[in-house]
Amino acid sequence: ETGVTQSPTHLIKTRGQQVTLRCSSQSGHNTVSWYQQALGQGPQFIFQYYREEENGRGNFPPRFSGLQFPNYSSELNVNALELDDSALYLCASSSGQAQETQYFGPGTRLLVL
Amino acid sequence: RKEVEQDPGPFNVPEGATVAFNCTYSNSASQSFFWYRQDCRKEPKLLMSVYSSGNEDGRFTAQLNRASQYISLLIRDSKLSDSATYLCVVTIVGGSYIPTFGRGTSLIVHP
Repeated sequence: ETGVTQSPTHLIKTRGQQVTLRCSSQSGHNTVSWYQQALGQGPQFIFQYYREEENGRGNFPPRFSGLQFPNYSSELNVNALELDDSALYLCASSSGQAQETQYFGPGTRLLVL
Repeated sequence: RKEVEQDPGPFNVPEGATVAFNCTYSNSASQSFFWYRQDCRKEPKLLMSVYSSGNEDGRFTAQLNRASQYISLLIRDSKLSDSATYLCVVTIVGGSYIPTFGRGTSLIVHP
């Protein structure tokens, strides 16, 4: 059984640019959630995809968007990057929705200059 | 008031000590509760779910107090390897799914 993987591991962008982060869910999991974790803070929920549909969204602006593919892998897209977008972006997969255990990937560290 | 609040610590305890963390939540509609552990520069990993009746896993005990809207984590006989940040997660389930993490409590266990 393969775990959750994310790519890239690290990324440096400049303000105004766009970025796409990728996540492969654990085998057998149909749900992917994305989180942003700033230094010294807990992960903040961005959104969740369940069977290719957005199933919940946190307090993030529309320039944060995503999608889930038929194989349940997922992408997080961020447009018009701002300095405050610098953070660790975590993807978590689970086999259902709310009450199932989430398994996190190692994250992508994004630095916006 | 933040939706989920934790004392960031750090809690600095000697090996063998018993330490307890609380996590308060503001939304009474919250339905699912978890404790995660996060090591420095690593991803969070599930430590345990929190059930209404309370639950225990080895040295770890989790409890839920719905009336006062908090969950707790008790660690007995602390080990050096318990040093980490402990994150509580509270989930509201309605038409959609919204999990909220606390900022975490840092635990340092020293010899």
